[in-house]
This record gives sequence, structure tokens and C-alpha cells, in this order.
Amino acid sequence: ETGVTQSPTHLIKTRGQQVTLRCSSQSGHNTVSWYQQALGQGPQFIFQYYREEENGRGNFPPRFSGLQFPNYSSELNVNALELDDSALYLCASSLGRGAVGTQYFGPGTRLLVL
Amino acid sequence: SQQGEEDPQALSIQEGENATMNCSYKTSINNLQWYRQNSGRGLVHLILIRSNEREKHSGRLRVTLDTSKKSSSLLITASRAADTASYFCATDAFGGNKLVFGAGTILRVKS
Repeated sequence: ETGVTQSPTHLIKTRGQQVTLRCSSQSGHNTVSWYQQALGQGPQFIFQYYREEENGRGNFPPRFSGLQFPNYSSELNVNALELDDSALYLCASSLGRGAVGTQYFGPGTRLLVL
Repeated sequence: SQQGEEDPQALSIQEGENATMNCSYKTSINNLQWYRQNSGRGLVHLILIRSNEREKHSGRLRVTLDTSKKSSSLLITASRAADTASYFCATDAFGGNKLVFGAGTILRVKS
């Protein structure tokens, strides 16, 4: 078990609504990355936060936004939800900028958009 | 789009047999990592191999990396029912800030 926690574990929303997902990083880690995993696929990178600044973004529209707090926990916000946003959302914490080291994943939040 | 491609997509073996999964990628990398995922839960890090390494071991796991062919393999020896999971390789594009995952191999170990 990693020290990364995510909340909530499951969530059901309807199209057009907004959702906020939360992630607490492992102690001592200053970087949080968010990934979206659709059913039957590998995780896709959404964005990364390093010391409260966005440090890179994947191919996701602006309605996906995030924050990182001084304690390095993070939020993922998705506005104007679409059916295709239904997925497992994973956060991963690591030490240091970028992706050169091991990333420690939380258990994920499963989002269903109806 | 995903950079890595795992092969096979699915693998079913008997307990005690070895399981081999392969991964190919497209760009230069700093390192390649293998992760395991049980039943759609979070990913568990298994092993990291750097681009200047050719082979690495961790318990029953053996990973090889061939940067000239842009490929890697994960060998699980003496498999157990508890090894049943999806296995993903992930690469960092050289100097990049993200992991790029393949679609994964689903391993089923029958007892």
C-alpha cells in the first residue's frame, strides 16, 4: 500500500455537472500527477503539479483543471461533464519534477457520468 | 495516444509456470517502468529499469530492456494465483514530465 489516498472512491454524476476529485500525496513528495484510465485501456496523463505549479499537461481540454496546495495535496476539477469522462481517475505522487522516478499511485476514483 | 504496446493482450497460465510479457515503445527514454493493477484499482510499482541498464531482477521478476529495439520484457517466474492482474509498462519520454502507458497485458494464473 502506498501512502497516497484519493476521495471519493466512487462517484455518479450527470452530463453537464461539475466534479472535484481529491488526492493526498505520500509524505515527503512534492509532485502530483493525474491520469485518466478508461475501461480496458492504460492510464492517460492529464497533468502534473510540482510545488503548486502546473508542470505539463496532456491532451485534455481546459474543462479539466487542477490545483496543488502548500501541503502538496491536489484536486482535479472537471466541468461540463460528458459521458466519455466516465473512467477511473488516478493520482500519483513522486519526489521531484518530471517522470524520471517511481510514481506512487492512489487507489483511484471511479467516476460514472450518466 | 499511448506510446507503449504490450504483447500479448491476455495470457492464461497454470500456477507454477512462468509468464512473459513484452512491451514496445516509440521514443527515446530515461527509464521504463512496470506496474501491476488488480481489478481496476490503483497501480502498484513493480520495477524501474534505466536506459543504460539491460536487465534487472526483483524477487520473482526479471525485466530486460533493449533500447536499440525499443522493447522490454517482464518475466514472472513460478507464478501464483495472486499474480492475476493487469500489467502495464510505462515510459517517460526523454526529459518528459509524464509516464506514457501501454494498454496492458491481462494475466490470469489458474490454480
